[in-house]
Amino acid sequence: DIQMTQSPSTLSASVGDRVTITCRASQSISNWLAWYQQQPGKAPKLLIYQASSLQSGVPSRFSGSGSGTEFTLTISSLQPDDFATYYCQQYQSDPTFGGGTKVDI
Amino acid sequence: EVQLVESGGDLVQPGGSLRLSCSPSGFTFSGYWMAWVRQVPGKGLEWVANIKEDGSEKYYVDSVRGRFTISRDNAKNLLFLQMNSLRVEDTAIYYCAPGRWWWGAWGRGTTVTVSS
Repeated sequence: DIQMTQSPSTLSASVGDRVTITCRASQSISNWLAWYQQQPGKAPKLLIYQASSLQSGVPSRFSGSGSGTEFTLTISSLQPDDFATYYCQQYQSDPTFGGGTKVDI
Repeated sequence: EVQLVESGGDLVQPGGSLRLSCSPSGFTFSGYWMAWVRQVPGKGLEWVANIKEDGSEKYYVDSVRGRFTISRDNAKNLLFLQMNSLRVEDTAIYYCAPGRWWWGAWGRGTTVTVSS
């Protein structure tokens, strides 16, 4: 199985901050990576697929980059709705998720 | 609008069985791979199983292979997850979602609790 490691596990930020979350794969996954946002008590929401493709309807302040084993999700200017937990997920092989990054105040 | 409604979750004893259902709408069900993904409350996400559009291919995470069976009825627009030999560690919220590799739409989930 491909292991996905996210850092940090918790991130404290303020509205307007630029936020970067890192996801590392235990082996190369090319660009087969997705990012999700999950609000408390709700289902995950797809933000990014194929490492950098923005899902329809997702604000442009979200962006993804990377390939191989290292990836980043960037929120250019944090908004109140963005305080949530973020997960990366690889699909080079059987899908696996990272452990999550909680973005809080 | 894509909607998915999961049902069938319950409290069950270890070793027991449950059958989850997913009722999708707003897209052509028979044209999509479908997946089950679970989440232990307060913990991370885990892909459980997926099934090809026509049901001819099915894949499972190692921890459920041999105990869970994913199936679909395209005529009735239904997705199923038959769960046998349930373990305490299967306790989770189970979501269904269209897609093989990533999932752009999710239901609200159904809760499975395995406890004596």
